Formats: sequence, structure tokens, C-alpha cells
Amino acid sequence: QVQLVQSGAEVKKPGASVKVSCKASGYTFTNYDINWVRQATGQGLEWMGWMNPKSGYTGHAQKFQGRVTMTRDTSTSTVYMELSSLRSEDTAVYYCVRVMGAIDYWGQGTLVTVSS
Amino acid sequence: DIQMTQSPSSLSASVGDRVTIACRASQDIRNALAWYQQKPGKVPKRLIYAVSSLQSGVPSRFSGSGSGTEFTLTISSLQPEDFATYYCLQHHNYPPLTFGGGTKVEIK
Repeated sequence: QVQLVQSGAEVKKPGASVKVSCKASGYTFTNYDINWVRQATGQGLEWMGWMNPKSGYTGHAQKFQGRVTMTRDTSTSTVYMELSSLRSEDTAVYYCVRVMGAIDYWGQGTLVTVSS
Repeated sequence: DIQMTQSPSSLSASVGDRVTIACRASQDIRNALAWYQQKPGKVPKRLIYAVSSLQSGVPSRFSGSGSGTEFTLTISSLQPEDFATYYCLQHHNYPPLTFGGGTKVEIK
């Protein structure tokens, strides 16, 4: 069965970076885009960006310009999302999601807390 | 980018009520619309894709309709397990993806 398994919760100081991993299984990794979505506590869902695991091409929402980097390791079917220059507003649960048209599978989420 | 306006942002309803949630796109998105349910502390779950196709395993009391820019999620008879937050998602001209702001369905 399709699974997206994310790395564990992180606590970071303002200005630091965080790197979240998302390991895919149960399907052909290079056949589907992986996107990242985040959700601050009590807030809605916010799309961050996408990666095509086959080509390595990525893109992101304008608000994350210069701060987000997505990479992948095809040998382990893992996608990584790194967010830099963290601020308190980045405290949220980060989800990796598989996209086939719409989102069809979600990772379990990774809580990133930014606090001094 | 396409904007999605979801309404209402919250509603109170009783078990057995018929509930309707709306989503409006800022431009024609054809049938590139899905609906998700999220319960507190849980991962969102897809209910509907391609406007009106029911995800496998989702009860038939959930239905979706609409076209172009106006879309609706209907719960025909609200059940206790349906109290949650619902989101629409458009994927026309992906990327990007755009979510509606969410509708919290609470117990009256």
C-alpha cells in the first residue's frame, strides 16, 4: 500500500534551518509528484511547493522564495524539504503529499516548532 | 494564481441535518476540484475528487457538485463522525495547488 513516512518532530531556534524527510513506498517513486503542505495550529492548509522525483524539477509558492529547497534521493525513494531562516510564524505541521491530479496520499505530518 | 473562496467558515448543525459547503474559484477550473475532511489532530482525508467522484470507502451521504467556478459539498444527513473541518482544493493548471480556507462543522 502507498505510504509516505516523514521524519520526526523538530524544535529550532529563529534563524535556523530545518530539513524534513518523506520516504515513499508502495508505488513507483518517480511516477508521481511530491508536494509539501503546511498547517499552523488552528489554521488552514497552505501549499508550499512541488517536486518531480523523476526529473528533480521543483517549484514553490512565492512566499517561500529563497527559503525553501526540495531535493530527492531516488535510491531510497525519499524527498527532502529544507526551510531556512526560520521564524516563529513557520511553526506548523508540515505534510508531504502525493499528487495525482489532486492530493491522494498524505504523510503523517512533521511538527516543526520555532522558538527561542 | 487561482484563489478559492470557501463558505461558510463555520457552521453549527444537528445530527440528521443536510449540510452544504460552497467553494468558489476565481476562474474556471473545469473539474479540477477535490474535497477533504480533517478531524482534530489527524491527517486530511480525501472525500471527493473530480468535483463529484466519491473516494472509495467514503459514505454515500457525501456528494459533490458544480462546474466552472462554483462547487458544493453536501452531506445529506449529518452523522456524529462528520463533525470536522472540510477543505476544497483546486488543481487546475497545477502547480500550484490552492486550498479553500476551510469550513468547521460543529455540533448545534
